[in-house]
Amino acid sequence: QVQLQESGPGLVKPSQTLSLTCTVSGGSISSGSYYWSWIRQPAGKGLEWIGRIYTSGSTNYNPSLKSRVTISVDTSKNQFSLKLSSVTAADTAVYYCARGIPAANFDYWGQGTLVTVSS
Amino acid sequence: NFMLTQPHSVSESPGKTVTISCTGSSGSIASNYVQWYQQRPGSAPTTVIYEDNQRPSGVPDRFSGSIDSSSNSASLTISGLKTEDEADYYCQSYDSSNQGVFGTGTKVTVL
Repeated sequence: QVQLQESGPGLVKPSQTLSLTCTVSGGSISSGSYYWSWIRQPAGKGLEWIGRIYTSGSTNYNPSLKSRVTISVDTSKNQFSLKLSSVTAADTAVYYCARGIPAANFDYWGQGTLVTVSS
Repeated sequence: NFMLTQPHSVSESPGKTVTISCTGSSGSIASNYVQWYQQRPGSAPTTVIYEDNQRPSGVPDRFSGSIDSSSNSASLTISGLKTEDEADYYCQSYDSSNQGVFGTGTKVTVL
């Protein structure tokens, strides 16, 4: 059973960079044709796709966040990461990592981690 | 930008049927698969329908999905409504650049 777990600071100051890591267990991040995504959800609001990475290193980002987002993968540690720069209060949200099936659904999700942007 | 619009909320009594729509803003919604997720408070979303109308193992057959090209929309139908079905539901698909897009979300209330 694949499991994903987000980790990182729960509080980030405005203008700084938000950094999160997702650790994958129960299977190799390199196996299969999956991609690995970050999704966020502000309190009381809907889901927003942030971006994804394939283990080849190929990435795609939400155009509205593209200038501030970097997603990377470390196959040796079975992890992938998110960096979001120049954060503001609008970036306060629960951040989820998830495994994606190309052209289909996200079949495994992390439990989510709340990141608050505040001074 | 491609958007998926859902009704804000729907409500119905136990045992009844509810249908949630998911309307694409442009292009053909049939061009890419549509998925549906259920999200209970404080929990991550889980898939109830993938690839338009497929149910993951463990999801009851009370949940069904369909596509209507004439209205450029997808639908999730929950029949025999149970109190445990009360949750937020999101559709999800891909835009013309193959990037993920989520619907606006629908709160289902079981009266």
